[in-house]
Amino acid sequence: EVLLVQSGAEVKKPGESLKISCKDSKYSFTTYWIGWLRQTPGRGLEWMAMIYPGDSHPRYNPSFQGEVTISADKSIGTAYLQWTSLKASDSGMYFCARRGTYASGNWFDSWGQGTLVTVSS
Amino acid sequence: QSALTQPASVSGSPGQSITISCTGTSSDVGGYNYVSWYQQHPGKAPKLMIYDVNNRPSGVSNRFSGSKSGTTASLTISGLQAEDEADYYCSSYTSSSTLYVFGTGTKVTVL
Repeated sequence: EVLLVQSGAEVKKPGESLKISCKDSKYSFTTYWIGWLRQTPGRGLEWMAMIYPGDSHPRYNPSFQGEVTISADKSIGTAYLQWTSLKASDSGMYFCARRGTYASGNWFDSWGQGTLVTVSS
Repeated sequence: QSALTQPASVSGSPGQSITISCTGTSSDVGGYNYVSWYQQHPGKAPKLMIYDVNNRPSGVSNRFSGSKSGTTASLTISGLQAEDEADYYCSSYTSSSTLYVFGTGTKVTVL
């Protein structure tokens, strides 16, 4: 079973940069897509982006493209989500999750515990 | 890409059956059999309950079942138990570049 472990909660000021991580502790990191999803009270759950660590090929939700960067280091089994200039509206709970690996694969079956990001002046 | 529409809340007594609806469009729910359902308890990560409309992952109780008709998908929980009290979200693949869209979420209360 995949075990995804995310980095801890962050409190940042607007304009600051941030990189959060998601480590696969038990599985072959290069054989599945890993995604990042945001959950906020106002907008609910949103799929942001996903990456295939085997070749670092990313795909983005157009709503988040240009706002965040997804990356992965397959040598250490870790995926990242990065901001260069945070806004208050980036506050929320961020989850990494593994995309399904059989049938259509269009679901997320293993989730990290979540990273709470708070952006406030 | 708009979120899929779910009722804000559904309730039932222990042992009863409840159904949660999830309404989309022909570009998502109606166009593909790629609907999934997630259960989320407070302070926890979502848990996959159903994938590809009506398939249960290993370990998920057979009290949970999924179906779809046109642009509306449904999750039915039979034999409702106290532990089923949680938020439930549907999701669908979409032909738009958004790729995946989620529902607005339904709070299930066990009376």
